[in-house]
Amino acid sequence: GAGVSQSPSNKVTEKGKDVELRCDPISGHTALYWYRQSLGQGLEFLIYFQGNSAPDKSGLPSDRFSAERTGGSVSTLTIQRTQQEDSAVYLCASSPLQGVNTEAFFGQGTRLTVV
Amino acid sequence: EDQVTQSPEALRLQEGESSSLNCSYTVSGLRGLFWYRQDPGKGPEFLFTLYSAGEEKEKERLKATLTKKESFLHITAPKPEDSATYLCAVQAWDSWGKLQFGAGTQVVVTP
Repeated sequence: GAGVSQSPSNKVTEKGKDVELRCDPISGHTALYWYRQSLGQGLEFLIYFQGNSAPDKSGLPSDRFSAERTGGSVSTLTIQRTQQEDSAVYLCASSPLQGVNTEAFFGQGTRLTVV
Repeated sequence: EDQVTQSPEALRLQEGESSSLNCSYTVSGLRGLFWYRQDPGKGPEFLFTLYSAGEEKEKERLKATLTKKESFLHITAPKPEDSATYLCAVQAWDSWGKLQFGAGTQVVVTP
């Protein structure tokens, strides 16, 4: 596709359940990022992938959060034993990382609601 | 720790009334400063990257400038379609896989 694609667009889950959020980056983009945006808050960095490896996962809030990327393309963010404070919009972005031209292109996000 | 502060939090403008948004930052070695626009219910849309003090970039009614401590986004003769939240983010050389975002400035332009 032409842009970053995220699925599902909306997810409502019960507290304690596990959820998986998917991101399809722009074809050829080697870098992939996950951010989350809580209501009225700025974007909070979660994790960054270069290819299939994650050089920076410093933003993952707890060990309930994990992410993987396969084939240098699709990424999945998994949240185990969801809590109400996990409710937010989860945004994925990708960038080509050519020289210093590292602007990231964002998807529409997955709105997660934990009830 | 890298910090980004945007002001004002909200800005209401009449169509044609020019104004500026501020982004103050502290970062351990700036690799780049980014401006994004975000419409409700959508992901941020890239606008500009600035790399060094004194640099300026323009796109339609928007102009971004950079100093060693802050960046400004000037909106000249805004139109209602410029209504959005404008986000500033910095990227440091020692953690260049990460963008540190400010909380944003919500701009409303009325006809």
